[in-house]
Amino acid sequence: DAGITQSPRHKVTETGTPVTLRCHQTENHRYMYWYRQDPGHGLRLIHYSYGVKDTDKGEVSDGYSVSRSKTEDFLLTLESATSSQTSVYFCAISESERPNQPQHFGDGTRLSIL
Amino acid sequence: GNSVTQMEGPVTLSEEAFLTINCTYTATGYPSLFWYVQYPGEGLQLLLKATKADDKGSNKGFEATYRKETTSFHLEKGSVQVSDSAVYFCALSDNTGNQFYFGTGTSLTVIP
Repeated sequence: DAGITQSPRHKVTETGTPVTLRCHQTENHRYMYWYRQDPGHGLRLIHYSYGVKDTDKGEVSDGYSVSRSKTEDFLLTLESATSSQTSVYFCAISESERPNQPQHFGDGTRLSIL
Repeated sequence: GNSVTQMEGPVTLSEEAFLTINCTYTATGYPSLFWYVQYPGEGLQLLLKATKADDKGSNKGFEATYRKETTSFHLEKGSVQVSDSAVYFCALSDNTGNQFYFGTGTSLTVIP
């Protein structure tokens, strides 16, 4: 196991409420990623981080923000959740930016927005 | 740009049948290629990888060969088991290694 913990594992909330998902790693890896998984779309990158306080946008970043104040924690925030953000969210980590390094994934957070 | 195209699923096979899941890619430069497997309720697990042309990745009886001439990385297994039932994702890592691009996934069900 890659030492990645996502919390919560399941959450149901209402439209317009703020939501924060947490990813915690014990590997001290530099790179962390947030994806969403939806039927017919595979995994789509939301944001990623290449170090403490260093983040960048992915393919589907609108409506999401992230923060990384410590190497081990990467937070994903939905400032005002919408039903289109109902999805399964996965965190991933990678040791380095070298192309042959795989990403390792957490078990996901299933988020439902009513 | 970079992208991955996988064969549509779902795929249903009988135990001990031969499996092929097609994957083709579009990329600039020299990507690395990966297959991941996802069991119900879990995250993606790395199954195998290949980092340059003609490399063959293998693990747990699964194989895939990095074919630059056909831009393909097809997943094969000679004899599937019920325990292989899962969703399989093909992915590439671009030159920078910063970003991965995933296919849409292929669901496999193996029946006894």
